[in-house]
Amino acid sequence: DAGVIQSPRHEVTEMGQEVTLRCKPISGHDYLFWYRQTMMRGLELLIYFNNNVPIDDSGMPEDRFSAKMPNASFSTLKIQPSEPRDSAVYFCASSFGVLTIGEQFFGPGTRLTVL
Amino acid sequence: SQQGEEDPQALSIQEGENATMNCSYKTSINNLQWYRQNSGRGLVHLILIRSNEREKHSGRLRVTLDTSKKSSSLLITASRAADTASYFCATVTPDSWGKLQFGAGTQVVVTP
Repeated sequence: DAGVIQSPRHEVTEMGQEVTLRCKPISGHDYLFWYRQTMMRGLELLIYFNNNVPIDDSGMPEDRFSAKMPNASFSTLKIQPSEPRDSAVYFCASSFGVLTIGEQFFGPGTRLTVL
Repeated sequence: SQQGEEDPQALSIQEGENATMNCSYKTSINNLQWYRQNSGRGLVHLILIRSNEREKHSGRLRVTLDTSKKSSSLLITASRAADTASYFCATVTPDSWGKLQFGAGTQVVVTP
C-alpha cells in the first residue's frame, strides 16, 4: 500500500480564493482524520470520519472550513474563502478500529500559504 | 490546554548518547502513543503503550508509563543523526472516541 496520499503537496493562493485539499486513506481503514499544524498552535484535530460519516467536527475553526468524505477512498477539506491565518500544514491520517485504537497513519501533508 | 505536554521542549545531544523525553497528561487514558516527525514530513507512529502496561521496547526505543503520576517517558538509546526529529506524545482517553490529543513536542537534534 502506498500509504496515505495527499494532494497537492504545496498550495499557494491569494486571500479570498477557494482551496481544496485532497486525501486518499489507506485501503481498509475506517477512520479518517484531518489535522492542521502551525508553530503557534501545534497539531490540531479539525474533523474526523468513521465509515465516511463525520463524527466530530468541533475542531473546525469556522464556517469557512468544510470537509466531505463521499466514499471510503477519498476525502476533501475545503476552505472558502481562504485567509492568511489559514496558512499551515494540513495533514490527513487514517486508522483502523477506534475502540481498540492503534496507530494513525499520516500523509505527507499539504503546505498551504495564503497571501 | 493540551492533554499531553512534553518536556524538554528541545534537546541537543551527540551521536551515541541517549535521549530521554517526558510526557505528562491530565486525565486517565486508554493508551499513550509516541510519534516522530522529521522536518517537512508527516508524523510516524513509533510505539503505543496501554494503560495497564508499564514498559515497552521497540528496537532502540524504550517507553515507560506511570499512570499514578500521569506521565510517560521515551528513551532513545545510542542515538544517531537520523534520530533528529520532533517527538510527540499523544493520548487516547476513554471519552475521546479515538481522538488523539497531541502535546507540543520535543525537538531533538543529534549531532555527529
